[in-house]
Amino acid sequence: DAKTTQPPSMDCAEGRAANLPCNHSTISGNEYVYWYRQIHSQGPQYIIHGLKNNETNEMASLIITEDRKSSTLILPHATLRDTAVYYCIAATGGSNYKLTFGKGTLLTVNP
Amino acid sequence: EAEVAQSPRYKITEKSQAVAFWCDPISGHATLYWYRQILGQGPELLVQFQDESVVDDSQLPKDRFSAERLKGVDSTLKIQPAELGDSAMYLCASSFSLGVRTEAFFGQGTRLTVV
Repeated sequence: DAKTTQPPSMDCAEGRAANLPCNHSTISGNEYVYWYRQIHSQGPQYIIHGLKNNETNEMASLIITEDRKSSTLILPHATLRDTAVYYCIAATGGSNYKLTFGKGTLLTVNP
Repeated sequence: EAEVAQSPRYKITEKSQAVAFWCDPISGHATLYWYRQILGQGPELLVQFQDESVVDDSQLPKDRFSAERLKGVDSTLKIQPAELGDSAMYLCASSFSLGVRTEAFFGQGTRLTVV
């Protein structure tokens, strides 16, 4: 699976959009980009995933560059409850499908 | 909403003792994962099951760790003997099928402290 690189920490003001970057320059054509988050002392929570098209759901939007070497997770209106560690993961399918977590980005939403 | 159930939530054990964790995945989920998370790091996959079969246990320290999913439903992870370095959060997750288009759902985890 491709290695991903994320900044260790970011801050965001409550009510503003939070844009979390992820670099996955060695991603292969059959690898999806997954985003999970982990609020303190809880298990990780799925947010969104995509292959090459931009995706949006009720939690967030995922923007993947055309060359697929990087992506951005967007939380449109961050709240204090969005303070968490956000993980960007590149994962293949089939019998080898597994989620390999890095250290992620600690997003702190400030009042 | 269906959840992955884990027990116990917290466990303190002395080194060299045996300890076991239990996980009940979401009903109908064929794939089950056990992860270990050391403080300040991301979760590390220990073992992955598809139904009752092990798909990946390459990171499982097999000299002291064992995992089973006998009927392809709930699962147990055991450590014997426990060592101080095993102190961590142990997370169980499940997904509907073995495939990239399905997200994994995580339980709340078991916090293990070895003293």
